[in-house]
Amino acid sequence: GIQVEQSPPDLILQEGANSTLRCNFSDSVNNLQWFHQNPWGQLINLFYIPSGTKQNGRLSATTVATERYSLLYISSSQTTDSGVYFCAALDYKLSFGAGTTVTVRA
Amino acid sequence: KAGVTQTPRYLIKTRGQQVTLSCSPISGHRSVSWYQQTPGQGLQFLFEYFSETQRNKGNFPGRFSGRQFSNSRSEMNVSTLELGDSALYLCAVGREGLHGELFFGEGSRLTVL
Repeated sequence: GIQVEQSPPDLILQEGANSTLRCNFSDSVNNLQWFHQNPWGQLINLFYIPSGTKQNGRLSATTVATERYSLLYISSSQTTDSGVYFCAALDYKLSFGAGTTVTVRA
Repeated sequence: KAGVTQTPRYLIKTRGQQVTLSCSPISGHRSVSWYQQTPGQGLQFLFEYFSETQRNKGNFPGRFSGRQFSNSRSEMNVSTLELGDSALYLCAVGREGLHGELFFGEGSRLTVL
């Protein structure tokens, strides 16, 4: 299956800071998604982005499929952005990275 | 956006028992896949169903099984529970599964004592 690597594993930010999370995947994929896992465990969809760039408020994402990586940008971070962010690549199944744990301090 | 209902949300079982978890996608989403999340192994794929047929299966023992009904609702069953089966079980739904966006339910948190 596809190998997915996320970096960094942990990120501590001051409120208002910007950050970039990276996701590398080992093979071509049908689908690339970013999720935020809430404290109760649900995976909340952030982006469905097999290629190109998308923006949603303070979040944006870019996937360069030919180079097999995706980036998630968080701008003007808020404490509510804290949590674990996963990227997942789909061939016949979603292969998840290990996640990036983001802590935003007030 | 899909609304996915998983039941039960929380349950406690003892070793050797069995458990059945349910996942109900909204109409039009015929692909249902199941994932197990544990602190040690992360998120791992269990199996995927589409139109009542299992299309793909992950690397789990035969104690883990599933099925899908004609209304696309899916159940997964774990027999002869072990302590290591304690996990968050998540289902994901999609219109066709191998392409397109997938949406997750809130999960079923299983504790095996």
